[in-house]
Amino acid sequence: GAVVSQHPSRVICKSGTSVKIECRSLDFQATTMFWYRQFPKQSLMLMATSNEGSKATYEQGVEKDKFLINHASLTLSTLTVTSAHPEDSSFYICSARDRNEAFFGQGTRLTVV
Amino acid sequence: KQEVTQIPAALSVPEGENLVLNCSFTDSAIYNLQWFRQDPGKGLTSLLLIQSSQREQTSGRLNASLDKSSGRSTLYIAASQPGDSATYLCGSDTDKLIFGTGTRLQVFP
Repeated sequence: GAVVSQHPSRVICKSGTSVKIECRSLDFQATTMFWYRQFPKQSLMLMATSNEGSKATYEQGVEKDKFLINHASLTLSTLTVTSAHPEDSSFYICSARDRNEAFFGQGTRLTVV
Repeated sequence: KQEVTQIPAALSVPEGENLVLNCSFTDSAIYNLQWFRQDPGKGLTSLLLIQSSQREQTSGRLNASLDKSSGRSTLYIAASQPGDSATYLCGSDTDKLIFGTGTRLQVFP
């Protein structure tokens, strides 16, 4: 299957700083990518849809100014958590579709201290 | 708004058993339904994709069925093995993939 690479896999940051997470489609192009968040023992919650060359579409309740998404090329989307707080600590996962099938990155464990 | 439910929430079985995992969704206007497994602390691995026009898909010991009209999908795992232990998630795809709460499966030797 297609490969989606996410980096970093783990990050620890201080409260108030910003963290950038990258999501790359390695062997296919993706005009749309998706960002999810997962709390322990819970399912994936869709945060936003990243659209190449245009603004992201955010789900209800997700702060667009806090979770900045940039999709500057057909193989790269980035999620920046701005002014991170401990409650932002979570597992963030990106996804992209290749011919209708969704493939996921390895996830990023963010810990804000 | 699409809602996806998975039953059971958790399952613990001895090796060799045949298993049935259930997924139901409220909006039948889906493009496809996809089953994934997730190992602890990892991303999702795609298992099977069923297009909306299909009724089932098979891969090895896995078989997934789809009944769009009733809003249900079932994942069958034959001859379960300890390596099958993971969380299984179904995702219903309208224009975005919405997930159920998952079934945590443990297969013990």
